[in-house]
Amino acid sequence: EVQLVESGGDLVQPGRSLRLSCAASGFTFDDYAMHWVRQAPGKGLEWVSGISWSSGSIGYADSVKGRFTISRDNAKNSLYLQMNSLRAEDSALYYCAKDRAAAASCMDVWGKGTTVTVSS
Amino acid sequence: QSALTQPPSASGSPGQSVTISCTGTSSDVGGYNYVSWYQHHPGKAPKLMIYEVTKRPSGVPDRFSGSKSGNTASLTVSGLQAEDEADYYCASYAGTNNVIFGGGTKLTVL
Repeated sequence: EVQLVESGGDLVQPGRSLRLSCAASGFTFDDYAMHWVRQAPGKGLEWVSGISWSSGSIGYADSVKGRFTISRDNAKNSLYLQMNSLRAEDSALYYCAKDRAAAASCMDVWGKGTTVTVSS
Repeated sequence: QSALTQPPSASGSPGQSVTISCTGTSSDVGGYNYVSWYQHHPGKAPKLMIYEVTKRPSGVPDRFSGSKSGNTASLTVSGLQAEDEADYYCASYAGTNNVIFGGGTKLTVL
């Protein structure tokens, strides 16, 4: 069974850092691009960042560029999101999602999400 | 990176058809055939319903169909059923490994 399990969400103060992880199983991880997508309370889905199968192509939403870093470890079947200089507006449910292809196209498998709350 | 434009709400009676639009620009929707649609029931993970404008993943009913004309993509749900009530989001590839979502449309089955 294809599965994505996010972890690392927490309550953190503004300006601090947090690292999210996503453990993948049930498919050949290094064949596919991966994404982070978030949903703030009462808001819609927002794409945060994506990474190609080889880490050779990476993209970020303007709202997180320069503060967040996406990475992957194909040997560990894991995706990461390093979040620095966190702001209240980063509070959201963060989903890890698998792409259908090696580079960004669409997300065909989603995890259940991990919650990040940024508050003093 | 402005969100793609979707109507905030749409509705229809059981058995009817409803179409949800998704308007972008030539840099996203109009520039690539990588428009996808997601169904999101509150408290659950989003589900891919349409990819590459018109294609349906295995297991998605053929009542769901997608199309595109210029900078506007559309999702049509035919033969509405109660379980189709959900939030629907479009998304498009926007170049350089970037993706952009629409603001979402709440579909109500009357």
